[in-house]
Amino acid sequence: SQTIHQWPATLVQPVGSPLSLECTVEGTSNPNLYWYRQAAGRGLQLLFYSVGIGQISSEVPQNLSASRPQDRQFILSSKKLLLSDSGFYLCAWSVGRRSSYNSPLHFGNGTRLTVT
Amino acid sequence: EDQVTQSPEALRLQEGESSSLNCSYTVSGLRGLFWYRQDPGKGPEFLFTLYSAGEEKEKERLKATLTKKESFLHITAPKPEDSATYLCAAASDNAGNNRKLIWGLGTSLAVNP
Repeated sequence: SQTIHQWPATLVQPVGSPLSLECTVEGTSNPNLYWYRQAAGRGLQLLFYSVGIGQISSEVPQNLSASRPQDRQFILSSKKLLLSDSGFYLCAWSVGRRSSYNSPLHFGNGTRLTVT
Repeated sequence: EDQVTQSPEALRLQEGESSSLNCSYTVSGLRGLFWYRQDPGKGPEFLFTLYSAGEEKEKERLKATLTKKESFLHITAPKPEDSATYLCAAASDNAGNNRKLIWGLGTSLAVNP
């Protein structure tokens, strides 16, 4: 069966510090990978998605970037955090590009990021 | 503009008191309607996908239905462990290859023993 790991679970970082959140998926190949941010009262916001190694699409211009160095690894980064980067970050995967694109997303347990 | 609206925002039930959650959608060419359950501090857990009006799916005490304008999540004889936030999301023809789902803000359900 497929599993998704996301870490750390919680993180407190000062303004201006760098960020690296990591997500890995097991039990599937060539998944589509996603980074979402969830803010209270604003719902789930898609930040980045990837259909393959090195292929990253950004949905929202911002202080963050994403990379996919391996097929089942997805990393969210920032060089300098802003207060507005605080939030709940979720990684997700779905069945890869050959399958119907309306297959469901499967989420990790998220990282609660607080920028102080 | 594609939009998904969930109601009510919050719902409190007594154990065993059945009810329904609503998800109204306005999307161009619905490709799929998804229901998720989210516990506090956790990621959303996939429940159901509905593809066409008239379709129904069931899982334990939950049943999801779909019409051309809305979806309902019926909860029969709920238990305290059903307490969670329930999210719905729609995939439309406008989503393109990025699979950008349109998400509702969720219904927070509390079931009292």
